[in-house]
Amino acid sequence: SQKIEQNSEALNIQEGKTATLTCNYTNYSPAYLQWYRQDPGRGPVFLLLIRENEKEKRKERLKVTFDTTLKQSLFHITASQPADSATYLCALDDQAGTALIFGKGTTLSVSS
Amino acid sequence: DAGITQSPRHKVTETGTPVTLRCHQTENHRYMYWYRQDPGHGLRLIHYSYGVKDTDKGEVSDGYSVSRSKTEDFLLTLESATSSQTSVYFCAITNERNTEAFFGQGTRLTVV
Repeated sequence: SQKIEQNSEALNIQEGKTATLTCNYTNYSPAYLQWYRQDPGRGPVFLLLIRENEKEKRKERLKVTFDTTLKQSLFHITASQPADSATYLCALDDQAGTALIFGKGTTLSVSS
Repeated sequence: DAGITQSPRHKVTETGTPVTLRCHQTENHRYMYWYRQDPGHGLRLIHYSYGVKDTDKGEVSDGYSVSRSKTEDFLLTLESATSSQTSVYFCAITNERNTEAFFGQGTRLTVV
């Protein structure tokens, strides 16, 4: 079955630096991969979707890459701010297309 | 924000009692999902629906049933609650299968 690993449970960085979060998956390569943000006590919020034929996608200070050879996605937040502190989840389809599988998340803390 | 609400937001119930959680959407999205989120496990799919009266099981469906009699409502029922079902439950909706999910605020269920 498909598995997702988000390598770091927690990441602490200084304000203004670039945060880089990693998402690795096993088995089949999905047609697209998604990133979500979750704040404490709230549901996840969709951020970005990147398709297998897109190497990179940007949205404001966010950048996502998708390497189907390495089976890896990198999620970057440039010029990070304390307001970016949250848990970030990556997600993709299982092979049957019946479920959206989520990684366990990386909790980012940005200190001023 | 997508129009999706969950009720109740918090519930404490006793072991062996039935519990029903409600998810209501105003987006007319076809797909609806119930997830549970637990420390160390992340988000796991319980059941999902791909239309009125069309539902299917997810990864952790044992002990849960669902119903969808109207496009806007998706009910999750614990027929006889157990302590292992203590969790935070999230409803999500998508317009296309498994993409750009919008989540509700969550229901914190405690089974004592």
